[in-house]
Amino acid sequence: SQTIHQWPATLVQPVGSPLSLECTVEGTSNPNLYWYRQAAGRGLQLLFYSVGIGQISSEVPQNLSASRPQDRQFILSSKKLLLSDSGFYLCAWSVGTGREAFFGQGTRLTVV
Amino acid sequence: QKEVEQNSGPLSVPEGAIASLNCTYSDRGSQSFFWYRQYSGKSPELIMFIYSNGDKEDGRFTAQLNKASQYVSLLIRDSQPSDSATYLCAGGGSQGNLIFGKGTKLSVKP
Repeated sequence: SQTIHQWPATLVQPVGSPLSLECTVEGTSNPNLYWYRQAAGRGLQLLFYSVGIGQISSEVPQNLSASRPQDRQFILSSKKLLLSDSGFYLCAWSVGTGREAFFGQGTRLTVV
Repeated sequence: QKEVEQNSGPLSVPEGAIASLNCTYSDRGSQSFFWYRQYSGKSPELIMFIYSNGDKEDGRFTAQLNKASQYVSLLIRDSQPSDSATYLCAGGGSQGNLIFGKGTKLSVKP
């Protein structure tokens, strides 16, 4: 069966510090991978998606970036965090576009 | 701007009642629709998907889709306190990625 791992679960970082969140998927090949952010009282905002290694599409301009160095690994990064980057970050995978997405456990990021 | 709209609630129902959650979408190209349940502080969990007009039943859950009206609903029969959560509706947009509504908070009172 397929599983998705995302870490860390919680993170407190100072403004201006770098960020690296990692997500890995097991039990499937060539999944679509997604990074979402959910701010307090707001819906799920798609940040990045990837349909293959090295292929990254950005949905929202921001100081975040994403990379997919391996088929089942997706990384979200920032060089300098802003207060507005606080939120609940969710990695997800699906077998293809328009199909159901399955979420990791999420990372609660607080920028102070 | 393609959108999925949901009433934010809270929707409060007594234990054992039917909870009815509704969602409308703007993208006529959407072909697939999903309902997720999200407990406070947790990640969304898929509970139903529907691709065709009509009803789809799975246990106490029934999803309904009306493409002509661009309307999706989720019925929860015999609601339990453990069903208290935020329910997210999502549509598979014509660009392929899922577009989520902001969610409806459901409270089931014992």
